[in-house]
Order: sequence, then structure tokens, then C-alpha cells
Amino acid sequence: DSGVTQTPKHLITATGQRVTLRCSPRSGDLSVYWYQQSLDQGLQFLIQYYNGEERAKGNILERFSAQQFPDLHSELNLSSLELGDSALYFCASSHGGAAIYYGYTFGSGTRLTVV
Amino acid sequence: AQSVTQLGSHVSVSEGALVLLRCNYSSSVPPYLFWYVQYPNQGLQLLLKYTTGATLVKGINGFEAEFKKSETSFHLTKPSAHMSDAAEYFCACQGAQKLVFGQGTRLTINP
Repeated sequence: DSGVTQTPKHLITATGQRVTLRCSPRSGDLSVYWYQQSLDQGLQFLIQYYNGEERAKGNILERFSAQQFPDLHSELNLSSLELGDSALYFCASSHGGAAIYYGYTFGSGTRLTVV
Repeated sequence: AQSVTQLGSHVSVSEGALVLLRCNYSSSVPPYLFWYVQYPNQGLQLLLKYTTGATLVKGINGFEAEFKKSETSFHLTKPSAHMSDAAEYFCACQGAQKLVFGQGTRLTINP
């Protein structure tokens, strides 16, 4: 157990629907990062939050949004889902906003299948 | 911008043989470099990291990597492969506010 908790582990939904993925960071970590992993795109950085504030944005679609709550858990919202959104979505956490030299701690991911 | 290139999307070695996974980076600043391993149906686990200091870095499970600035490389090695090493391996470097990952190398171990 890495200490980063992601729920649900698996999600199957239909095109056009909306889903919410949840992440609880490791105790003491203030930063949360979201990544999408697909066979053709590899690991793509989506977005980072630090202590409740958006810190960095990557290749995140407008249909996707995220937030980090006062208790530091984060949610990734995916809407108007398309078949191509099927992927593994990982959450990772780190202690500080710029403490990337320590590396991340990853959760076990949410596998999203859009049918 | 920082980037990472992993040479070889698939590497296959025999059990007991040397494992060599190649990673080259591009960075305009002194890099922080990482190797992660992903076992099937699991998240990524940190194997080792280079920040500053000794260029030969030892990690978990008998892996090590050497930072070579002149070659902009950070190759991962293990002297003797075990069946349990079969996994996907990712090299990463720090970017602006985030880690930048390579495309990954799938390591297969033949008995």
C-alpha cells in the first residue's frame, strides 16, 4: 500500500456520461497530480493541485476538470465521455508543490472503460 | 522543455542475464532523474532517483542507474534478471512543476 488511495478501481460507463474519480493523497502530502495512461499516448500529465490551488496544467481536455478539497483529497471529473477516454487514470502525491525531486507516490489507478 | 526518451519499447532477456534499459534525457537545467516500475494492474513504484552527488545510484530490487551528463543518459541496469522483474519501466525527469515520463519499456524475462 503506497498510501495514495484511488477509488473506484474500475469504472465502466457509456459514451456521453460523466464520472468522478477520487484520490486521497499520502498523509502529509500537499500536492496531487493526475495522469492519464493509455496504450497509444503513454503517461500524460493532466493537472496538479497544491494545497487546494491549481498549480500546473497539462494536456487536460476542456471536458475534464479537477479540484482539491480542504482535506486535500482530489477529484477528477470527466464529462461527455468518448470511447477514446478509456484509460488508466493515476493520481500521485508529493510533499511540496516544488518537491518533485523527491519523486511521486502513485496510487493504484482507476481503470475507466467507456462503451 | 525537459523530455525523456526510452530506447526500446520492449526488451527481452533470459533469467540470470544482465538487464539494461536505456534512457536519455533533454534538460536545460541540471536534471533530477527517476526510474519507476509498473507491475501488471498496479500503480508506478519508485525504483531509484538521482538528484545530486554520486552519479551511480542504487535502488530497490538490485537495480542501479548511472547518470552520465556527457551522454545525457540515465540507463537502468541489473546484473542478473529474475522472473519477478517482468514489468514496465518508466524513466522520468523533472519538468516545470511535474515529472515528465518516457514512453516506457516493457521487460520480459525468459526462463
